[in-house]
Amino acid sequence: GDSVTQMEGPVTLSEEAFLTINCTYTATGYPSLFWYVQYPGEGLQLLLKATKADDKGSNKGFEATYRKETTSFHLEKGSVQVSDSAVYFCALSSGTYKYIFGTGTRLKVLA
Amino acid sequence: SQTIHQWPATLVQPVGSPLSLECTVEGTSNPNLYWYRQAAGRGLQLLFYSVGIGQISSEVPQNLSASRPQDRQFILSSKKLLLSDSGFYLCAWSPRGADTEAFFGQGTRLTVV
Repeated sequence: GDSVTQMEGPVTLSEEAFLTINCTYTATGYPSLFWYVQYPGEGLQLLLKATKADDKGSNKGFEATYRKETTSFHLEKGSVQVSDSAVYFCALSSGTYKYIFGTGTRLKVLA
Repeated sequence: SQTIHQWPATLVQPVGSPLSLECTVEGTSNPNLYWYRQAAGRGLQLLFYSVGIGQISSEVPQNLSASRPQDRQFILSSKKLLLSDSGFYLCAWSPRGADTEAFFGQGTRLTVV
């Protein structure tokens, strides 16, 4: 079945460091890909998405490119802030009404 | 605009007691509805999803059940809670059609004692 694998955390960075969180997927067909962010005690918020190969999703300085050849959707940000500390989830939807999530990566940014 | 309401925000229940968590969506019709569980330090596990009134698909055999009595209402229930039912429960909805994201409620923190 469909699955999402993302790097385990926690990831600890200093403010203004470069961030990469790896995400790879397995899916039949052509899934849509998403990154969600979860702040403590809250639900998930959509951060960005991409619906077809080579699409780049971006929001709030975060970017991810849908790479069909490597089945990847890595999240990047050039300069992280303390306020970016959260848990990040990679997810896919392949048209079966279901959204499949990775296990989440906790990011901690130190001032 | 569309909104999703989920309640209660926190709940402490004894083992063996019943459970009812409710989720409603406003501002849209005929949504797909979902219940996820997030155990401490772990990812999201899809429990149930529904594509219409009375239509429930279960992803994981367990002590829980779900119902959709109205188009925009989704209820998660249990007759007798177990300690292992503790976790963070999230309701979500998505519009019909492909390539759309899911929208999440604020979650319910359930502690079974």
